[in-house]
Amino acid sequence: AQKVTQAQTEISVVEKEDVTLDCVYETRDTTYYLFWYKQPPSGELVFLIRRNSFDEQNEISGRYSWNFQKSTSSFNFTITASQVVDSAVYFCALSEGSKTGANSKLTFGKGITLSVRP
Amino acid sequence: EAGVTQSPTHLIKTRGQQATLRCSPISGHTSVYWYQQALGLGLQFLLWYDEGEERNRGNFPPRFSGRQFPNYSSELNVNALELEDSALYLCASSQPGLAGGKNTGELFFGEGSRLTVL
Repeated sequence: AQKVTQAQTEISVVEKEDVTLDCVYETRDTTYYLFWYKQPPSGELVFLIRRNSFDEQNEISGRYSWNFQKSTSSFNFTITASQVVDSAVYFCALSEGSKTGANSKLTFGKGITLSVRP
Repeated sequence: EAGVTQSPTHLIKTRGQQATLRCSPISGHTSVYWYQQALGLGLQFLLWYDEGEERNRGNFPPRFSGRQFPNYSSELNVNALELEDSALYLCASSQPGLAGGKNTGELFFGEGSRLTVL
């Protein structure tokens, strides 16, 4: 069975601080996809990134960066120089792979509430 | 291009009643997913429809059911409502999955329907 663990439940930082959100996953599949979603107060989940199990290359997108390590089954997310607008709930998720692409049934972690204070 | 739209935004029912939630996917998307986000429980997978058929189902009782119409929109029905059904119900859509071969697993979410059972 698949499982995603986000051990941190709430994080509070001051603006401009760097913050890392942890994600640890469990799966027996050799092909799988990992995701991060952001949920602002409006409720809509916003896709941030997808990473497949064969690509361990870290990625940077502006102030966001992701560190994928298969050896520790982790897919951590770092926000550099955090801003108030980053305040949201962040979810890590996992899906099985298949021959035709990712099975989009996602297993979500319980989410991390990030509060960025001015 | 319109995103995933859900209706109603809010719904208040009493125990024992039935609730119907609706979802319109992004144009061109054939897969629709339903997730329940209850307080303290995170996002739980409910149902997955693709090309009009139920493809997968989460660990929910049979009183949670749904369907997908020929235009790929979807309904989620919850019968015999219980207090613990109070939650945000999120619908998501994705590109063609099983046959299309291009589904990389990214889900596009609507803003959700908040169901309150009194």
